[in-house]
Amino acid sequence: KAGVTQTPRYLIKTRGQQVTLSCSPISGHRSVSWYQQTPGQGLQFLFEYFSETQRNKGNFPGRFSGRQFSNSRSEMNVSTLELGDSALYLCASSLLGGTNYEQYFGPGTRLTVT
Amino acid sequence: GESVGLHLPTLSVQEGDNSIINCAYSNSASDYFIWYKQESGKGPQFIIDIRSNMDKRQGQRVTVLLNKTVKHLSLQIAATQPGDSAVYFCAENAGGTSYGKLTFGQGTILTVHP
Repeated sequence: KAGVTQTPRYLIKTRGQQVTLSCSPISGHRSVSWYQQTPGQGLQFLFEYFSETQRNKGNFPGRFSGRQFSNSRSEMNVSTLELGDSALYLCASSLLGGTNYEQYFGPGTRLTVT
Repeated sequence: GESVGLHLPTLSVQEGDNSIINCAYSNSASDYFIWYKQESGKGPQFIIDIRSNMDKRQGQRVTVLLNKTVKHLSLQIAATQPGDSAVYFCAENAGGTSYGKLTFGQGTILTVHP
């Protein structure tokens, strides 16, 4: 079974621009969560989507948004990029059924803002 | 807010030794705990999980211990190998509809010397 895939793997943007990152979950997984990883703050939860609805949200400004499609694929968008948005953005999918709550992570998208 | 923290940022061991990585959590409502391993350039990889109604769970060469009285979690790796060198994160989850939201610790760098 294919793992979580994220595109693109690397991205360089300029301050003020916007960016869209994509995540394809493991087949059959309905929950997709996004995390930001930086050396200073570690892994921080951004938001989670389940059946096309945002179910949980972390403490990030409104510039960070996301959505989920009917096939469970998810995108996240960051508008008006700031230097501090440079990070590894990780997507994780989960079956979230029965007693199975494991989250499986993709390789991440490395975003650099200059 | 709630957070998960690690006591030791780095751990160096000799090949064949047993490793113990510790983690403290602060949210007494947390219901589910996970250990992840992250190698350079990759996303976190699931190692083992434990529910709050358990105090010990074993996997292949790994054991997770949960002490709810002192809000402490540990990961034991038996016969540590050079391939175990990575950053290890503990994560907690409050359960319910929050299963898609993980709160991560800072991480411990494990280095295994041949």
